[in-house]
Amino acid sequence: DTEVTQTPKHLVMGMTNKKSLKCEQHMGHRAMYWYKQKAKKPPELMFVYSYEKLSINESVPSRFSPECPNSSLLNLHLHALQPEDSALYLCASSQVGRRGYSPLHFGNGTRLTVT
Amino acid sequence: SQQGEEDPQALSIQEGENATMNCSYKTSINNLQWYRQNSGRGLVHLILIRSNEREKHSGRLRVTLDTSKKSSSLLITASRAADTASYFCATVNTGANSKLTFGKGITLSVRP
Repeated sequence: DTEVTQTPKHLVMGMTNKKSLKCEQHMGHRAMYWYKQKAKKPPELMFVYSYEKLSINESVPSRFSPECPNSSLLNLHLHALQPEDSALYLCASSQVGRRGYSPLHFGNGTRLTVT
Repeated sequence: SQQGEEDPQALSIQEGENATMNCSYKTSINNLQWYRQNSGRGLVHLILIRSNEREKHSGRLRVTLDTSKKSSSLLITASRAADTASYFCATVNTGANSKLTFGKGITLSVRP
């Protein structure tokens, strides 16, 4: 089991639905990340939050909207998704310090299917 | 965009044998990390090697880094069936906007 908890584990949604993915960590990490992973592909970075502020947005379409309400929580709000957005969405956290030297701790992901 | 390129892309060995996986990258890096991913699960950090280090050990894992060749290798000794997973190298680039970028990954199968 990981120290980063993601809910739900599975999500099926229609293209007109609005849903949210949730991520929680209690390791005191102040950097949190969203990655998208398609089958048999590496994770691709979507967003990075540092001290609850969005620091990196990898040109992600606006139908994905991240939110970091506090240092332990990270949400990803989904609206008007396309079938090609079906993937495993991974949340991760790390310490903030010397940038890049802190390993990432991943959750087990949310398997999203868009119908 | 992907940075690391692992080879081979798939590796099948017998339990007890050693597994060697290689990673090449293109740009200057701060450090290189290796992660493992079991099927349908999140990634687990294995080991980090800094750009000024050449070799690092952790249990049955040995990582080398050759910055002149922009390559790294991960050696798993005395493999076990439980080592069956996908392995990714990931690099942190130098510069102001450094971030962790994953390679394509290697699928390791360890036969009991």
